[in-house]
Amino acid sequence: QVQLVQSGAEVKKPGASVKVSCKASGFIFSTYAFTWVRQAPGQGLEWMGWISAYNGDTKYPLNLQGRVTLTTDTSTSTAYMELRSLTSDDTAVYYCARVESGIIDSWGLGTLVTVSS
Amino acid sequence: EIVLTQSPGTLSLSPGERATLSCRASQSVSSTYLAWYQQKPGQAPRLLIYAASTRATGIPDRFSGSGSGTDFTLTVTRLEPEDFAVYYCQHYGSSRWTFGQGTKVEIK
Repeated sequence: QVQLVQSGAEVKKPGASVKVSCKASGFIFSTYAFTWVRQAPGQGLEWMGWISAYNGDTKYPLNLQGRVTLTTDTSTSTAYMELRSLTSDDTAVYYCARVESGIIDSWGLGTLVTVSS
Repeated sequence: EIVLTQSPGTLSLSPGERATLSCRASQSVSSTYLAWYQQKPGQAPRLLIYAASTRATGIPDRFSGSGSGTDFTLTVTRLEPEDFAVYYCQHYGSSRWTFGQGTKVEIK
């Protein structure tokens, strides 16, 4: 079955970077796109961008462009999200998810990233 | 960027009642690119509806979606105890994607 296994929780200091991984199994990785969505404590969902595992095309929201980078490694069926220049506002659960024809059809369990001095 | 506004913020209902959730877009969107998700505390969201009205695999038929243009609706005909959760609409067209702020359906 479809599985998206994310890396463990992280604690980072302001100004640092974080890279979260998402290992996929149960389907042909390179035929899908992947998206990342974050959720600050008690808040709603925020889209962080998507990447095609087929050709590496990406799209990011304007408010995160330049600070977030999505990549994939087809040899290991893993998607990555790197976020730089962290502030306390970046404290959130970060979800990776599989995308088919624009539809987010499977989600990882989430990775908690805490930014604190 | 398309802004999605959901209403009401909170819906207080009893099991067995009908829930009607609204999602309004700041500009017309193709119904092909409108989805609804359900999220329970401590869990990842779950896809309910895509293309405005198509139920995802395994979603009970008490969930239905409708709408076009700027106004979309998610209806739960008879609320079951497991339906009390937060619901989000989402636009996923070729432009940048956005989520609504969510509607919480709570037990009255």
